[in-house]
Amino acid sequence: QTVVTQEPSFSVSPGGTVTLTCGLSSGSVSTGHYPSWCQQTPGQAPRTLIYTTNTRSSGVPDRFSGSILENKAALTITGAQADDESDYYCVLYMGSGIWVFGGGTKLTVL
Amino acid sequence: QVQLQESGPGLAKPSQTLSLTCTVSGGSIGSGGYYWTWIRQPAGKGLEWIGRIYTSGSTNYNPSLKSRVTISLDTSKNQFSLNLSSVTAADTAVYYCARVTGGGFYDYWGQGTLVTVSS
Repeated sequence: QTVVTQEPSFSVSPGGTVTLTCGLSSGSVSTGHYPSWCQQTPGQAPRTLIYTTNTRSSGVPDRFSGSILENKAALTITGAQADDESDYYCVLYMGSGIWVFGGGTKLTVL
Repeated sequence: QVQLQESGPGLAKPSQTLSLTCTVSGGSIGSGGYYWTWIRQPAGKGLEWIGRIYTSGSTNYNPSLKSRVTISLDTSKNQFSLNLSSVTAADTAVYYCARVTGGGFYDYWGQGTLVTVSS
């Protein structure tokens, strides 16, 4: 089974820019995988920030953006803030009705 | 405003069947166009997609769980359910239900419910 890969952890300075990626153990991520990005803080349910590659959910600040970069889905945070410190998960559509989550990236803002 | 709420026993015994229900309010589960989905998360670990059911009743399951999972829909109660059979300690997790659009937007999530598998 194809594995969805994410950086286990990442660090960014307040006000800085960070790009988290979401790849496949075999092959390239495309818009056909309908990449979505979810944010989760401890003890809370996830919330979707970005779907279908680059569409922001209602109420999500425009410092969050999604794209495809070098065969991976990417989530870029421009001007990181302290409350962006969270776990970020991507989820990809693999076809035949099946979705797979990545392992998640723990983002630290310091 | 659509809301989802998971419910069910917080404890299941090994080898038995885990059963959870997700009650949807603020919208009709039978209105079409959505996939009603179950996701789980073991403590300290990542999210795992379990499976989904469409308004028509068609289902898709995670291949690694397929032999043990059944998801069903009850439009009269505006609920959908998860049954996971032959559970082990590895099935201990917070279980979330979610609504997903046809375009893959996980737009509404339940708050999650912890199920512990233990004798």
